[in-house]
Amino acid sequence: EPEVTQTPSHQVTQMGQEVILRCVPISNHLYFYWYRQILGQKVEFLVSFYNNEISEKSEIFDDQFSVERPDGSNFTLKIRSTKLEDSAMYFCASSARTGPDEAFFGQGTRLTVV
Amino acid sequence: AQSVTQPDIHITVSEGASLELRCNYSYGATPYLFWYVQSPGQGLQLLLKYFSGDTLVQGIKGFEAEFKRSQSSFNLRKPSVHWSDAAEYFCAARPSSNTGKLIFGQGTTLQVKP
Repeated sequence: EPEVTQTPSHQVTQMGQEVILRCVPISNHLYFYWYRQILGQKVEFLVSFYNNEISEKSEIFDDQFSVERPDGSNFTLKIRSTKLEDSAMYFCASSARTGPDEAFFGQGTRLTVV
Repeated sequence: AQSVTQPDIHITVSEGASLELRCNYSYGATPYLFWYVQSPGQGLQLLLKYFSGDTLVQGIKGFEAEFKRSQSSFNLRKPSVHWSDAAEYFCAARPSSNTGKLIFGQGTTLQVKP
């Protein structure tokens, strides 16, 4: 069964450092997403990406965040200068279409900023 | 504001007992509705979804959910819970057909007593 894979599973970084979270979406999917879940809180939408550009983003997704699809398979989330409050589980997801189509989620990357 | 509410943060049921997890949404029109499950260390797995037609939808692992427009609800049910059902359950909504963004509820943690 096809799946979304994320690396690394856990990343610890110093405050102010840049981090890149990586995801390999399902190969024939066209829509890609990042979500985050701060410990004890709900899963929050960050950004969606389609046709090599951001199609939608939340107010959380400010200038310190960026996304990229550098090749035909990877989808990355970069945080330029991490803050303590960026500590969270970050989920990548992909879907074939919008609307009723299921979004398939990766297992998540736990980011800890110290 | 558009939102999804899961009133129960934590539920404990005995193995073999029935289960109902509540979900309410607040949208102008009926959104696409989903239930996801997250087991420890795993990503989010889709249990079932509703977008039109029969208001009682069947999902994987013996789960079902009923959409009630009059109550703006999409409650998840299972007739007989198994110990392996212990996990966190998320209700999510997608507001329209031209967005891929999912709005999640806070999640309900299910504990199963032997």
